[in-house]
Amino acid sequence: EADIYQTPRYLVIGTGKKITLECSQTMGHDKMYWYQQDPGMELHLIHYSYGVNSTEKGDLSSESTVSRIRTEHFPLTLESARPSHTSQYLCASSEEGAYNSPLHFGNGTRLTVT
Amino acid sequence: AQSVTQLGSHVSVSEGALVLLRCNYSSSVPPYLFWYVQYPNQGLQLLLKYTSAATLVKGINGFEAEFKKSETSFHLTKPSAHMSDAAEYFCAVSAPGAGSYQLTFGKGTKLSVIP
Repeated sequence: EADIYQTPRYLVIGTGKKITLECSQTMGHDKMYWYQQDPGMELHLIHYSYGVNSTEKGDLSSESTVSRIRTEHFPLTLESARPSHTSQYLCASSEEGAYNSPLHFGNGTRLTVT
Repeated sequence: AQSVTQLGSHVSVSEGALVLLRCNYSSSVPPYLFWYVQYPNQGLQLLLKYTSAATLVKGINGFEAEFKKSETSFHLTKPSAHMSDAAEYFCAVSAPGAGSYQLTFGKGTKLSVIP
């Protein structure tokens, strides 16, 4: 049973639209992450947060932005979607740092930009 | 810097046969190593992790992995494959002190189980 929830599961949207991918967790974890996943490729970290009002960019450059106003909520926003943003986006959280603490993943949002 | 190489993007085994998924890593410091599994239309979940204790690590669903420093390997095995093992498996490496977000994933190996 997932303790980390992502909505929507699937989203098809036109170029230029603003979108927000939602992610919430009920485990009280301070650390949260957004990964981008494409078939046959490594997962790439695009954003992470160590706690409320803390956000950092990951190792993959992304035009998206994130916010962390509440511990349990870590939404990702694209101001103007483009076809190159088509991908699966996975949200995760961990009790300690990702280097030694298991990541708990949501089921993902599959985004298609037409 | 650290990296992970998973040998074989697709592996097929018969039901009841041995499962062997290969992972080699590169790290400038003693690493922590992980295997995650992703079932269709789901996120990843942790199978097992190595954090410098015992070199043979047991995980969930009958999987285990052995850390071999001399071979820089962390291969995943299961003695007898079940149909429910069909999924994609990701090896990941991190290094203490590299930044608490520094977890590097491999490209994944898709396991098919043939009845």
